[in-house]
Amino acid sequence: AQTVTQSQPEMSVQEAETVTLSCTYDTSESDYYLFWYKQPPSRQMILVIRQEAYKQQNATENRFSVNFQKAAKSFSLKISDSQLGDAAMYFCAYNTQGAQKLVFGQGTRLTINP
Amino acid sequence: DAGVTQSPTHLIKTRGQQVTLRCSPKSGHDTVSWYQQALGQGPQFIFQYYEEEERQRGNFPDRFSGHQFPNYSSELNVNALLLGDSALYLCASSLGGGPTYEQYFGPGTRLTVT
Repeated sequence: AQTVTQSQPEMSVQEAETVTLSCTYDTSESDYYLFWYKQPPSRQMILVIRQEAYKQQNATENRFSVNFQKAAKSFSLKISDSQLGDAAMYFCAYNTQGAQKLVFGQGTRLTINP
Repeated sequence: DAGVTQSPTHLIKTRGQQVTLRCSPKSGHDTVSWYQQALGQGPQFIFQYYEEEERQRGNFPDRFSGHQFPNYSSELNVNALLLGDSALYLCASSLGGGPTYEQYFGPGTRLTVT
């Protein structure tokens, strides 16, 4: 069974600084997709960034970028120039071509200090 | 363009009772997935509905059942409620259900079982 592990229950960073959230996953599949979702106190899960496993280039969305290491099964999220609005729970998630479900990690609570 | 909506926002039930949660997908989406998120945990996949049929199911007992209507909206029913069913129930919609499509999440229904 596929599993997703986030080893950092909590992280904090000063506003305007850079922070990296870690995620590892376990799978025997070769074709899959990885996601980072943000869940603010409003509870609504918002997609931050997506990476297709067949793409070697790391995905980037404005201040958010990933470091995808397929051999190491690692998928970290880097947030540059952290803003107060980035404070939230961040979940790493996995999906395969043949499955319809997202498999989530346990989340990392990110605090931004002004 | 309305996003995913869920009702009710909060619900309190007594152990042994039955509950129905409702979800309307994002306009244009035809697939609805349900997730259970216990406090401090990542969401767990319950099941997915497409073309009014359950397409995939997670590791949840038969007490959890669902339905999808011709307008693509969906219901999640839980019978014989247990204290452990207390959680945030998230609905996500997508087009076609494939992993290349982003799953849009609703704000969730907070269920408390006493």
